[in-house]
Parts: sequence; structure tokens; C-alpha cells
Amino acid sequence: EVQLVQSGAELKKPGESLRISCKGSGYSFVTHWITWVRQMPGRGLEWMGTIDPGESYTNPSPSFQGHVTISADKSITTAYLQWSSLKASDTAMYYCARLSPTTRALDVWGQGTTVTVSS
Amino acid sequence: QSALTQPPSASGSLGQSVTISCTGASSDVGGVSWYQQHPGKAPKLMIYEVTKRPSGVPDRFSGSKSGNTASLTVSGLQAEDEADYYCSSYVGSNKFLFGGGTNLTVL
Repeated sequence: EVQLVQSGAELKKPGESLRISCKGSGYSFVTHWITWVRQMPGRGLEWMGTIDPGESYTNPSPSFQGHVTISADKSITTAYLQWSSLKASDTAMYYCARLSPTTRALDVWGQGTTVTVSS
Repeated sequence: QSALTQPPSASGSLGQSVTISCTGASSDVGGVSWYQQHPGKAPKLMIYEVTKRPSGVPDRFSGSKSGNTASLTVSGLQAEDEADYYCSSYVGSNKFLFGGGTNLTVL
């Protein structure tokens, strides 16, 4: 079964660092780019950036560039989303999704990771 | 930056049809996909490349495009169709746009 399994919910304080993960299985991890999507409470979906797990080449959204880092470790078929200094406004649900190389659609989604940043 | 515009809400009665629109630049709606999201759940791909359905998606869901507007039509509405729906477009270089989402209510 093709699936993306994300790490569990996080509760952090402003200024702390965080890395959340997204593990792919059941398919060739290096041939499908991984996309990260943010959903703030009660709001819509926002594209954060995409990574080629094979080459670790990233395409970050200008809205998020400089605030988050997207990376991947193909040896363990895992992609990451990382913050060095969290803000309260980072409180959101974060999804990873697989980009189909043929249809250019996000055909498999992780279950989501809730990040809460509060003092 | 380009944008995809959706109506914030739509509604229809059980068994009827409803259409949700997604308007953007003509180049942005050429490869639109649609996602369904139930409360507390991850989005699910319902339509890709404007008109195609992934395996397992009921044929009650259909997509179309006219000019710079893509549309998702849900026919024979069922209670479980009540959800948020998002259009999205791949705009090249592995970059995406999302519409603001439409909350579909089944009356």
C-alpha cells in the first residue's frame, strides 16, 4: 500500500526549533516529489514548497522561504519540514503529499501533523 | 502572484447536482485538480487534469473547464459529499496554487 506517514503532534514555545517528518512507503520514493502544505485553523490549504527526494532539490514558496527548511533523506524514505525559530503564527496543521510525475496532482497525502506554538 | 478564486460556499439538496467553480488565469486552470477534505481529515484527490477521476472516486464527481474557469460537478448529492473542496493548479517548476476552498453543504 502506498502511504505517507507523518510524525505526531507537537506543542512548542515561541523561539524553539522543530522538525517534523513524512515517511513514504509502498512506492519508489526518489521518483515522486514531496510537497508540504499548511492549513491554519479554520483556513484553506497553502503550498509551502516541494522537494525532489532523489536529489534534495527544493522549490520553496516565496511566502515561506527563509522561515522553513525542506529536506529529505532518501536512505530512509523520509522528508522533513524544519523551523529554527517558531512563532505563534506557525500554529497549524501541516500535510505532506506526493506529487505524481505524470498527472502533476497530489495523489497521496499524509495524515497531517498538528503544530501548536504557545507560550 | 496568480490566484485561483472559488466561491466560499455552495449547497444542494440530496440527490441534486451542484457545481463549484475555480477561476484563474487561463494558463493556471489548464491542469486543475480538485481535492475533497472532510473535517479533521487530510485532503483527498478527486479530479486531476481537469476531467480525470482517480480509481475509487465515484463517477458522480466530474470536472470540466471553459475559458479560464474550471468546475467540479457533484451529481446525485449524498450526505457524505458534505465537505470542503479545493481546486489546485500545477504552475510549473513543481510549484502549486490552491484556491481558497468551497464549503459544500448538503441540505
